[in-house]
Amino acid sequence: ILNVEQSPQSLHVQEGDSTNFTCSFPSSNFYALHWYRWETAKSPEALFVMTLNGDEKKKGRISATLNTKEGYSYLYIKGSQPEDSATYLCASAGTGNQFYFGTGTSLTVIP
Amino acid sequence: DTGVSQNPRHKITKRGQNVTFRCDPISEHNRLYWYRQTLGQGPEFLTYFQNEAQLEKSRLLSDRFSAERPKGSFSTLEIQRTEQGDSAMYLCASSPGPGSTDTQYFGPGTRLTVL
Repeated sequence: ILNVEQSPQSLHVQEGDSTNFTCSFPSSNFYALHWYRWETAKSPEALFVMTLNGDEKKKGRISATLNTKEGYSYLYIKGSQPEDSATYLCASAGTGNQFYFGTGTSLTVIP
Repeated sequence: DTGVSQNPRHKITKRGQNVTFRCDPISEHNRLYWYRQTLGQGPEFLTYFQNEAQLEKSRLLSDRFSAERPKGSFSTLEIQRTEQGDSAMYLCASSPGPGSTDTQYFGPGTRLTVL
C-alpha cells in the first residue's frame, strides 16, 4: 500500500484567483502519477498522467508538475472559474496498476 | 455514451442483507478495477481483473465480498451480510491495458447505505 497525501483538504477561492495544491507520494518504486477531477454526481475525469521527473503537463488553465526524486506533484489552476469547483484527486500507480489515491482537495470557486 | 456505467447508482439496504452491484466497462478494455470510497477518504483499491481473471484482492476485501467478471466483459461485486461499515461509494474503472501509464476510466459509482 502506498501512502499518498494531498493538501490542503479544502480550498475556497474567488473567481479569477489562481491556486495550487500538492500531492505527496513515496518516491521509491515510482511508476506513474495520475490526476483526476471529480465533480459531484459525476464520474472522476482523468486530467494528467505523469511519469518523468521534471515533467510538466498542461490542459487549458490547468497544469501540473512532477518531482519524482522528492515525491511530490503540484496542480495549478490559473484564473479559477466556478466550473472548476470539484474535488481534485491524485493517485500513484502500484505494480499492478492499481491506484493509490490521496484524500483529495475540494476546491470551491466563489463567483 | 460509451463510458463506464454502474448500476444501481444508489442502494439502501438493511444490515444483514446481500447486495450486488454491476459495472459495465468500456468495451474492449481488458482491465477492470473496483475501488471503495468512505467519507473523508480517497478511493481505496479493492480488486482488479485482467479479462475474466481476478489477479489481486486487497485485504480490505473480506470474505463477505466477492467479485466476478464471468465473460471478461461486465463485472459484479457482491457483499453478503452487509454491515453498517460497508456504507460507502463503490467505484468501478476500466483501462485498455495493464501499464502504469494507462488511464483508468471511472464510472459514476454506486452509493451504498446500510441501515
